[in-house]
Order: sequence, then C-alpha cells, then structure tokens
Amino acid sequence: GENVEQHPSTLSVQEGDSAVIKCTYSDSASNYFPWYKQELGKGPQLIIDIRSNVGEKKDQRIAVTLNKTAKHFSLHITETQPEDSAVYFCAASYSNAGNMLTFGGGTRLMVKP
Amino acid sequence: DVKVTQSSRYLVKRTGEKVFLECVQDMDHENMFWYRQDPGLGLRLIYFSYDVKMKEKGDIPEGYSVSREKKERFSLILESASTNQTSMYLCASRGGWFSNTEAFFGQGTRLTVV
Repeated sequence: GENVEQHPSTLSVQEGDSAVIKCTYSDSASNYFPWYKQELGKGPQLIIDIRSNVGEKKDQRIAVTLNKTAKHFSLHITETQPEDSAVYFCAASYSNAGNMLTFGGGTRLMVKP
Repeated sequence: DVKVTQSSRYLVKRTGEKVFLECVQDMDHENMFWYRQDPGLGLRLIYFSYDVKMKEKGDIPEGYSVSREKKERFSLILESASTNQTSMYLCASRGGWFSNTEAFFGQGTRLTVV
C-alpha cells in the first residue's frame, strides 16, 4: 500500500518568514495530493490540493509543488502569520472504489509574533 | 455548508465497555472513513466503507468493528475498550467512486479509556 512520509515534524518560524513542509510517497499510482490544516480542537480542513497532471499550484500565500519523478511534494507558506500556527498534514491517494487517503505524520507549525 | 458530525466531542469509558462512536454526513458521499490520531503518528486508517453495508479494513483494524446501515451514517465500535485505545478519533467522508475529491472531516471525538 501507499506510504507517505512528512518532514519536519515540528517547524518554528518568525512571523513574516516562509515555511516549507515536504512529503514523499511510495506508490507511483497516486495521483491526488491534498494538504490539510488542523487547528486546535478541530478536524483537519483542506487548504490546497494538486493533481498529478500539474507541477505547481498557488492560492494567495500558499503554494504546492509536485515532482512525480522523485515522488515528492511540498507545501510553501509565504509571509507567515500567527494564525498559520497549526498542524499540517499531507496525503496521497489514487482513484479507486474506496478513494483512501494515506496521510503523512503531520507537521506542527509555530509562527512566533 | 457541508457537514460531517460526530456524536460526541469527549467520551470517558471504562476498560471492557462496548463503545459506539457515531458519524453522520449530509453530503450524500459514498465513501466514509474512521481514522485514529495519535501524537507523532499522524492519521491512521482504522476502517472505511465505500457503500452501504460494505466495509474494508484499514491499517489498524484490530479491536474495532464498523457498521454502515445507511449511506449517511458510519459507526465505529470498540467491542471491549482497552486503555491503549485512548485516542482522538476522526470520521471523514468523500464523494464519488473512482474520483479524487476533497475529504471532509468531523470535529473529532477524544476518547479516554480508564
């Protein structure tokens, strides 16, 4: 089955700096790669996703890049703000009847004001 | 607004009790999932269901069972709760067979087994 590894497990940045979180996956059949943000006391919520036919996607201060050859993808947050502090999860899946998402171990991002 | 609702935010149960965690979604999604979240281990899949009365084991099914009698409801059952099942449990739903779309999560149930 799919295996997703995520690094780093914790990341501390100063407000205004950039943050980068990296994930690798094992199954070359995976073709959908979402990123979720989990705030304290809440369930994870999708912030951005990318499909295998695209190399990069941006949404305001957030961007995701995908390298299918190397089987890795990254989340980039620019101009970080205290409200970006949360746990971030990457995931991978491919189209099948169950549409399972396999998640990375999570990254706790702390943005210091 | 789409919703996945878990019946309890916090639960405290005794060792050996039978525990039911309920999840309801209002998006007419085919696929529903139960994950367990532990510090440093991310989200681990316990069971999932891609249709009514259908269920598949995930990565850590031991000690758990599930029930899906109606499309909108997916229940996780701990047959005999143990202290190592103390954790955060997250339900999710995702639409469409063979389509990669967003998964929606409930707010989580923090279960403590004493």
